[in-house]
Amino acid sequence: GENVEQHPSTLSVQEGDSAVIKCTYSDSASNYFPWYKQELGKGPQLIIDIRSNVGEKKDQRIAVTLNKTAKHFSLHITETQPEDSAVYFCAPYGEFSSGSARQLTFGSGTQLTVLP
Amino acid sequence: DAGITQSPRHKVTETGTPVTLRCHQTENHRYMYWYRQDPGHGLRLIHYSYGVKDTDKGEVSDGYSVSRSKTEDFLLTLESATSSQTSVYFCAINPGQAGSYEQYFGPGTRLTVT
Repeated sequence: GENVEQHPSTLSVQEGDSAVIKCTYSDSASNYFPWYKQELGKGPQLIIDIRSNVGEKKDQRIAVTLNKTAKHFSLHITETQPEDSAVYFCAPYGEFSSGSARQLTFGSGTQLTVLP
Repeated sequence: DAGITQSPRHKVTETGTPVTLRCHQTENHRYMYWYRQDPGHGLRLIHYSYGVKDTDKGEVSDGYSVSRSKTEDFLLTLESATSSQTSVYFCAINPGQAGSYEQYFGPGTRLTVT
């Protein structure tokens, strides 16, 4: 099944600096790579995603990069703001167990704190 | 929250009692999911549905059952709640267009089993 590791587990940055979160996965057949943001007391919110045929995607201050050969993808947030403080999850689309249908498999999350 | 409501939003129950959580969506999406979220584990898939009366197990399905008798409702039942099922439960939908993998989540239900 899909083994997902997300690093770091916590990250503190100064407002205006950049933040990078990395996710590694094991299922070479994974073909969809989203990032979710979860604010306290709320459900996860899809903020950006990428398909396996694309190496990078940007949306204003956030970007996702994919390295399929190395089986990792990263979330990049530039010009961080206090409202970026949240928990971020990667969730590659792969098998969670042998023979199962493909589904999102979530990483354990990264608590990002943006210091004013 | 993508037109998804969950009820109840909070529940405290005793060990051994049955509990049913409800997920309701207003957009007639085909795919619906139940996840649980525990500290250090991210979200883990319990069960999912790909249509009325069509369901399948996820990663952590033991102790849970689901039903989907209408497109808009997906029910999660704990037949006999245990303390290990204390968690936050999230429902999600997938719009189900061809080649679509996106999932959108509801606000969650916090369940405490004492």
